[in-house]
Amino acid sequence: KNEVEQSPQNLTAQEGEFITINCSYSVGISALHWLQQHPGGGIVSLFMLSSGKKKHGRLIATINIQEKHSSLHITASHPRDSAVYICAVGGSQGNLIFGKGTKLSVKP
Amino acid sequence: DGGITQSPKYLFRKEGQNVTLSCEQNLNHDAMYWYRQDPGQGLRLIYYSQIVNDFQKGDIAEGYSVSREKKESFPLTVTSAQKNPTAFYLCASSIRYSQQPQHFGDGTRLSIL
Repeated sequence: KNEVEQSPQNLTAQEGEFITINCSYSVGISALHWLQQHPGGGIVSLFMLSSGKKKHGRLIATINIQEKHSSLHITASHPRDSAVYICAVGGSQGNLIFGKGTKLSVKP
Repeated sequence: DGGITQSPKYLFRKEGQNVTLSCEQNLNHDAMYWYRQDPGQGLRLIYYSQIVNDFQKGDIAEGYSVSREKKESFPLTVTSAQKNPTAFYLCASSIRYSQQPQHFGDGTRLSIL
């Protein structure tokens, strides 16, 4: 079993829809990261959180430490949100353990 | 603007050749990382460096080598011992090692001719 599981693997949405991507992990962590990978391959860090909720523009990230689960929400989705969204958790060695990513496609 | 520069964007290698991927950062970060990304898989750590003149093997270091002679630079050499080198390679850095947000370059796609 992978230490970091994301769902869904692929997601297609219509512009304006509310989107949720889920991340479950099986290891103890001190922080969880959400990353965005653009079609060209570059990766941008969106959030780093260890408890509660963070918001940046139309993006919201939540984490439930007891349930070992995090969600990334996108409100009023737009075609420019199309990307691969990656969840990563801080491992016991100080490294990051990455999920396989969720490929999001937002249609106009 | 500060950031990470990876070059080249595309690289082709003949069988038996060593190739070196460049990674330069001007963020004044202590820690640097090399990851490999394969289709349908999460990023896997090849090597990391917490500070100049120090580096450690990651999960898939076999067939790769690195150096960290300068704070700004962390080149990765893919040697002929790496039997399946075709992949997308990403370099990253963080202020310090461990739990920090990482800044990523745009990656280098390596293919075998």
